[in-house]
Amino acid sequence: DTAVSQTPKYLVTQMGNDKSIKCEQNLGHDTMYWYKQDSKKFLKIMFSYNNKELIINETVPNRFSPKSPDKAHLNLHINSLELGDSAVYFCASSQDLITGELFFGEGSRLTVL
Amino acid sequence: ELKVEQNPLFLSMQEGKNYTIYCNYSTTSDRLYWYRQDPGKSLESLFVLLSNGAVKQEGRLMASLDTKARLSTLHITAAVHDLSATYFCAASGAGSYQLTFGKGTKLSVIP
Repeated sequence: DTAVSQTPKYLVTQMGNDKSIKCEQNLGHDTMYWYKQDSKKFLKIMFSYNNKELIINETVPNRFSPKSPDKAHLNLHINSLELGDSAVYFCASSQDLITGELFFGEGSRLTVL
Repeated sequence: ELKVEQNPLFLSMQEGKNYTIYCNYSTTSDRLYWYRQDPGKSLESLFVLLSNGAVKQEGRLMASLDTKARLSTLHITAAVHDLSATYFCAASGAGSYQLTFGKGTKLSVIP
């Protein structure tokens, strides 16, 4: 049973399109995150939700909109995709905000043409 | 703002040799984490270090934390090819929920 699962694993799309990535965790964790890993492997946090409540919202274009329907799910919707959005997006979860140890999904590689 | 710096960023070492990866962070941190990422794969948690002087070992890897020096090290003993991966350290600022990652150290172990 995959602990943190993301779909799709790969997305290839044209500039200007809208796309969504879904994430689910079955660990019973309270906190979920979206991270972006660029081509140089640098990891940067985008959003964090704790019990469905937005906790961290880094400087991310408002074309990116996270949604957490329940504490086991955190989805990411991206509008009007740009070339610079090409990256690997990782979902992660942690037991709570304090514990901090992250469990990552397998990543969703987004390529914008 | 917390900054986390790792060095070296690239490391090529022969099997059987020892080496250390360093992770410095700029402000007081409650916790320090080490992760491993294989090419095209997810990140796997290796160590969680929660207090000054903490030392944890798993196989050929040993991690330590010196909060006074704001330094964590990941020591590799008698490297084997299977250890080839990118290793990230991450820290959270005191009272902060947010993890800041270093740029990663890409380790290649050569036969």
